[in-house]
Amino acid sequence: GQQVMQIPQYQHVQEGEDFTTYCNSSTTLSNIQWYKQRPGGHPVFLIQLVKSGEVKKQKRLTFQFGEAKKNSSLHITATQTTDVGTYFCAGPKGGNKLVFGAGTILRVKS
Amino acid sequence: KAGVTQTPRYLIKTRGQQVTLSCSPISGHRSVSWYQQTPGQGLQFLFEYFSETQRNKGNFPGRFSGRQFSNSRSEMNVSTLELGDSALYLCASSWTADTEAFFGQGTRLTVV
Repeated sequence: GQQVMQIPQYQHVQEGEDFTTYCNSSTTLSNIQWYKQRPGGHPVFLIQLVKSGEVKKQKRLTFQFGEAKKNSSLHITATQTTDVGTYFCAGPKGGNKLVFGAGTILRVKS
Repeated sequence: KAGVTQTPRYLIKTRGQQVTLSCSPISGHRSVSWYQQTPGQGLQFLFEYFSETQRNKGNFPGRFSGRQFSNSRSEMNVSTLELGDSALYLCASSWTADTEAFFGQGTRLTVV
């Protein structure tokens, strides 16, 4: 089963509203990565967080890594239709293996 | 530089047949991982190869196998196909297995 839990599974927002997806691991992670997959596309790397409590921003996207390095979040401010897609978190598990969360599907209504 | 290339892009097979999918990683990347993506199960890890050695394997039956060649290109094989094997198979390459993964466009396998 999934060793990296991600919620919510789906999120429909009105364009301009904010969006957040959360990721939780049962064990401490050496790093956490976030990917975006557009409909019909493949996952594309967004960012990697390594340090406890780390916060990184990419324009309207804010990524956080928890103090215990077991949870992370991705927050999008003022969503746009271009933000549509599935957002995955992923963390290294059991050596030489990247485990992905189930993903959060974001739909934006314009 | 060229990205990760997967061939073929689409494939239709009959139950009981076997299939081989190919992945050419980014030049210089020696780690290649394979994932199965289905709507209900997300991205499921199949296996990871580094320098021709399988270092990790996911929870899939023995019908799923793979290999990596000396030029880092990788193939995965699925024998005795079942309807449930219909999925998007994604290959990802990276410098190391736990860092930024670059995905190919995937092979869409349909088993009928």
